[in-house]
Amino acid sequence: LAKTTQPISMDSYEGQEVNITCSHNNIATNDYITWYQQFPSQGPRFIIQGYKTKVTNEVASLFIPADRKSSTLSLPRVSLSDTAVYYCLVGARSGAGSYQLTFGKGTKLSVIP
Amino acid sequence: EPEVTQTPSHQVTQMGQEVILRCVPISNHLYFYWYRQILGQKVEFLVSFYNNEISEKSEIFDDQFSVERPDGSNFTLKIRSTKLEDSAMYFCASSEPQNYGYTFGSGTRLTVV
Repeated sequence: LAKTTQPISMDSYEGQEVNITCSHNNIATNDYITWYQQFPSQGPRFIIQGYKTKVTNEVASLFIPADRKSSTLSLPRVSLSDTAVYYCLVGARSGAGSYQLTFGKGTKLSVIP
Repeated sequence: EPEVTQTPSHQVTQMGQEVILRCVPISNHLYFYWYRQILGQKVEFLVSFYNNEISEKSEIFDDQFSVERPDGSNFTLKIRSTKLEDSAMYFCASSEPQNYGYTFGSGTRLTVV
């Protein structure tokens, strides 16, 4: 499984755009990049997933350069409720068909009023 | 939005006792998972389950652990003889076959005393 590196923590003011970058230098051809959000004492919540270029949904955008060795999660106009830990995960389905997630320590985002 | 439901939300048990954690995955999902998170630590994969059998399991998932899908809706994790170090949040998750995004439940906080 590809190892990921992301900042331990970030601070941002309300209303600002936040970009969290994750590096995954040894990403494999079949690997997808997925981001999750976790609030204290809750289960992780799927945010967005991509393979290459740019993906956008109602919550975030994900930018993946051509070499796929990094990715950037972009959260537009954050609010206090976006304070959470954000995880970048890289992986592919196993031969058995399941998709085992390997979580790192994530990035703790603190949104300041 | 469909949810993964876990019960109970909190469970306190004495060391050596058996516990069963229950989960109702999303109805059209076919892959089921258990993860755990010890307080202040990473989310760790325990086991994946598909077609009524274990697909993959981690080193944590030893003989003290077992999973079962006793009927068409429930998915359970049993810990046969609990140890103090089993105290953690246990998360159930499910996913569709062609989708890399999981839906996690809110978790069961297990405290072994």
